[in-house]
Formats: sequence, structure tokens, C-alpha cells
Amino acid sequence: AQSVTQLGSHVSVSEGALVLLRCNYSSSVPPYLFWYVQYPNQGLQLLLKYTTGATLVKGINGFEAEFKKSETSFHLTKPSAHMSDAAEYFCAVLYGNNRLAFGKGNQVVVIP
Amino acid sequence: DTEVTQTPKHLVMGMTNKKSLKCEQHMGHRAMYWYKQKAKKPPELMFVYSYEKLSINESVPSRFSPECPNSSLLNLHLHALQPEDSALYLCASSRYEEDYEQYFGPGTRLTVT
Repeated sequence: AQSVTQLGSHVSVSEGALVLLRCNYSSSVPPYLFWYVQYPNQGLQLLLKYTTGATLVKGINGFEAEFKKSETSFHLTKPSAHMSDAAEYFCAVLYGNNRLAFGKGNQVVVIP
Repeated sequence: DTEVTQTPKHLVMGMTNKKSLKCEQHMGHRAMYWYKQKAKKPPELMFVYSYEKLSINESVPSRFSPECPNSSLLNLHLHALQPEDSALYLCASSRYEEDYEQYFGPGTRLTVT
């Protein structure tokens, strides 16, 4: 079965420190990969996506992610956390049956 | 306009009520989606409409009835819901069903009493 794994439901990071959220997927073919952010009581906003081409993708709000086929990973990073980055982050994979499979999410807490 | 709008923002209904959720987009997208999201969980796909026809029903109970009157509008009719149906209901759209980028609305927070 296709799956998306995000480890650690809660991630605490100090303001100004590196944000690293890990995402691994299971797939026999390269899928389309996404990171979404959800602020409290809001819908999902697309942070960035990988479809084809360059494996390092840059998104909004200073986030970037790197697709590593050999590791079946698509980890999300931001060099310096800001208080406004406190939110829920979901990794998602679009598989061949045109369905988005979501990871369980990471709740990011930024410590002043 | 890259916005998906949803109304109402909040809805409280009793188990015997009938209500509807509305979703609208004016991006010319031909695929529209309903998702259900429980607290601290990822969204779960409920329905997909493609070119105004129901394409996917993820075995959703019949107390949820989707409708796509035209290419810009998607409704979700609710009847005889249970308290466990309380959740955030998200609508999304994409250019077509095979397109990889879905745009999400802000959601309707539903509480069933």
C-alpha cells in the first residue's frame, strides 16, 4: 500500500534555528510530492511541490525541500525559524490513481 | 483569482437537521473535491467531481450527498448526521482530475449536536 511517513507529531524549534521536517514515501515510480501548511482554523496552503526537473525546490516563506529518489524522501527545511512558522505541516504524495495521500502531519512549535 | 471560497465558515446542526455546505471557484477548474478533516489529523478524501460528474466516492455514508450544479460550484448536502461527523470540511479544486495541484478553501467547521 502507498504511504507517506512523517515522524514526530510535534516538533519544537527555537526562533532563528533550523526547521527540518522529514517526509518519506513508498512508491515504485517517482510521484508528485507536496508540502502543505495549515494555520489554526484555516485550510491548506501549498508551500512547495516537486513534479519533475530540479530536485531542490524552493517554496513560499523561505521553505525549501529536496527530492531524493534513492532515499524516497522529500524533507522540508527552513534555515531560520520565525514565530509565524508555528502551524501544522503536511507532506503529501499524488499517486497514479490521482489521489493525494497525506502524512499524519507535524505540529511545529516555535520557542522564543 | 486563485481562491476557493466556502460557506458557511461555521455550522452547528442537530442530528435531525438538513443543511448544505457550499464551495465555489472561478479559476476554470474542472475537478472539485470534498475532504473531511478531524482535529490533529490529515484530510481524508470524500468525493471527487470531474467535469461535473461524480468520479470518486470514497465509500462515504449516504447521509452526505454531494452535488455539482455547474463547473464553478460544489455543494455537500447533510442529513441525519452523527456527532462523530463533526469536523472541518475542506473543498479543493484543480484544473482537471489528473492535474497535480489542488487549491484548498478555508473550510467549514461543522459541529453536530
